[in-house]
Amino acid sequence: QKEVEQNSGPLSVPEGAIASLNCTYSDRVSQSFFWYRQYSGKSPELIMSIYSNGDKEDGRFTAQLNKASQYVSLLIRDSQPSDSATYLCAGTGANNLFFGTGTRLTVIP
Amino acid sequence: DAGVTQSPTHLIKTRGQQVTLRCSPKSGHDTVSWYQQALGQGPQFIFQYYEEEERQRGNFPDRFSGHQFPNYSSELNVNALLLGDSALYLCASSLAGGDEYNEQFFGPGTRLTVL
Repeated sequence: QKEVEQNSGPLSVPEGAIASLNCTYSDRVSQSFFWYRQYSGKSPELIMSIYSNGDKEDGRFTAQLNKASQYVSLLIRDSQPSDSATYLCAGTGANNLFFGTGTRLTVIP
Repeated sequence: DAGVTQSPTHLIKTRGQQVTLRCSPKSGHDTVSWYQQALGQGPQFIFQYYEEEERQRGNFPDRFSGHQFPNYSSELNVNALLLGDSALYLCASSLAGGDEYNEQFFGPGTRLTVL
């Protein structure tokens, strides 16, 4: 099993809808989780960090962590075309970040 | 506040050659991690440097080596280049020894093409 697994998508949502991105992780991954956004040809940009069970909200983004189920998710409310990108889930372990393969999101105007 | 910088932006090499990539961390950060990102994949951890020493290493061969300088900047060296080394090489910086709660911020990356 890979340390961090994501549904590679692609995921398409209409403008204004909620986009839901999901990620599971193995026992090798510790307690800190991050969501990065990566536009085509660019480097990953950190958008959310979550360390505790439950929800964390920042503007239109909500990260959810369920340690018992080893599950992390990212909700994007009121999706905009500018949200179209690949979203990478990452978790820490052994002094490094383990990344999923990313989920490609397209927001349709 | 200066972010993470990397040089060069793009690089083309031939098989068997050697390459050096450079990274300057975000102001105030002391830890540098290097990642390789192949097309369509997530970044893969190469190694992390803290206090001028390699602190942790991923599953990469010894052809990949690095260095961290007293000003916290870092280099990634790859010897005997293979076609499969073609990728985006990312540097990420973080604070205070790379504690697991510390966020890592990426530079713009170096696109390496091996012909």
